[in-house]
Amino acid sequence: SQQGEEDPQALSIQEGENATMNCSYKTSINNLQWYRQNSGRGLVHLILIRSNEREKHSGRLRVTLDTSKKSSSLLITASRAADTASYFCATDARQGGKLIFGQGTELSVKP
Amino acid sequence: DSGVTQTPKHLITATGQRVTLRCSPRSGDLSVYWYQQSLDQGLQFLIQYYNGEERAKGNILERFSAQQFPDLHSELNLSSLELGDSALYFCASSVDLAGFNEQFFGPGTRLTVL
Repeated sequence: SQQGEEDPQALSIQEGENATMNCSYKTSINNLQWYRQNSGRGLVHLILIRSNEREKHSGRLRVTLDTSKKSSSLLITASRAADTASYFCATDARQGGKLIFGQGTELSVKP
Repeated sequence: DSGVTQTPKHLITATGQRVTLRCSPRSGDLSVYWYQQSLDQGLQFLIQYYNGEERAKGNILERFSAQQFPDLHSELNLSSLELGDSALYFCASSVDLAGFNEQFFGPGTRLTVL
């Protein structure tokens, strides 16, 4: 069963704008990871945030985690056409190493 | 490049056949995971191996099996293939058993069953 739900399912923005994607999950976690997937290709690891962290940055990416609300958000600032992809959140759900994925957010950045 | 390699990239076969997908984890990673991505089910965990031993099972069919060899590479065997087995199959690796660290994915094997 799906642990996470991403919102929105699809997002279309102009280059230079910021993109925010949200992820909600159901059970307690040790960490949450965000991945990018370009059109049916491999999953690229973006960032891992641990349950005791509230915010993390990596380049143009900012991830927040609110364990009380069981939610996370991924912000991409100053988006580029190359950011066009599907973005997935994945949690461990404290069930060992396996990841449980949401359905993903499809981001389209128009030049 | 994640450092996880998978072969082959594409596989086209017929119903009833058997195929083997291969994965080499990142150097130093002891855990290997297999996932299936399909349009209707999304990304689903299949099975995990750690240092040669099976450690967790997910939604893996009985027709599917996997193993991890002493050199830590892993193979996923799919038999009696059905049309519904057509999907992207990903291998991922991480350094630990319990999932406290990043999990890196390979490029995937696209399986088409005709």
